[in-house]
Amino acid sequence: EDQVTQSPEALRLQEGESSSLNCSYTVSGLRGLFWYRQDPGKGPEFLFTLYSAGEEKEKERLKATLTKKESFLHITAPKPEDSATYLCAVQAEQTGANNLFFGTGTRLTVIP
Amino acid sequence: GAGVSQSPSNKVTEKGKDVELRCDPISGHTALYWYRQSLGQGLEFLIYFQGNSAPDKSGLPSDRFSAERTGGSVSTLTIQRTQQEDSAVYLCASSLVGGASGNTIYFGEGSWLTVV
Repeated sequence: EDQVTQSPEALRLQEGESSSLNCSYTVSGLRGLFWYRQDPGKGPEFLFTLYSAGEEKEKERLKATLTKKESFLHITAPKPEDSATYLCAVQAEQTGANNLFFGTGTRLTVIP
Repeated sequence: GAGVSQSPSNKVTEKGKDVELRCDPISGHTALYWYRQSLGQGLEFLIYFQGNSAPDKSGLPSDRFSAERTGGSVSTLTIQRTQQEDSAVYLCASSLVGGASGNTIYFGEGSWLTVV
């Protein structure tokens, strides 16, 4: 059965304090791993797609990496506006390429 | 449109009443998805449309839930005889094509449903 586990559930950082969020997955036939950002009361906002182990993608202060078992979202020198819930999702052969299977997210708070 | 548009943004309904939630996908996107997000839970897949047909309805929780899509565009999710456990955010999403690896799925802002 496909599983996506995100850790930690919540993370509080001081502004400028770099850290990483983890997404561990167990799926049969990974087709893609997605990162989304969700602000309170809003829909998820697409950040990255990773397709194969070793792949990395960057956007501003965020960098996503992928191995065969997990993905990390590295946040470098975060700012208060980076506060949000970060969601990881997988697209797998078993669940079909028709939908995404989501983790429960990491709620990030960046304190000024 | 520029993004996925959903209405209403908020809906409070009495237990036992029917509700309809509407989704207008990004122009040109052939695939449309409905997800549900309950408090403290991850997003839960409900149904997928490719054009006007729904090849994957596996996530619909009961026969009280149904959805249709017309003209390859607008979709309506209908919940009949609402129950309190139906209270959640219902998110619509669309993508350029469906069934393709790594296909980016874009979400709307959601319809917040509260059943009292």
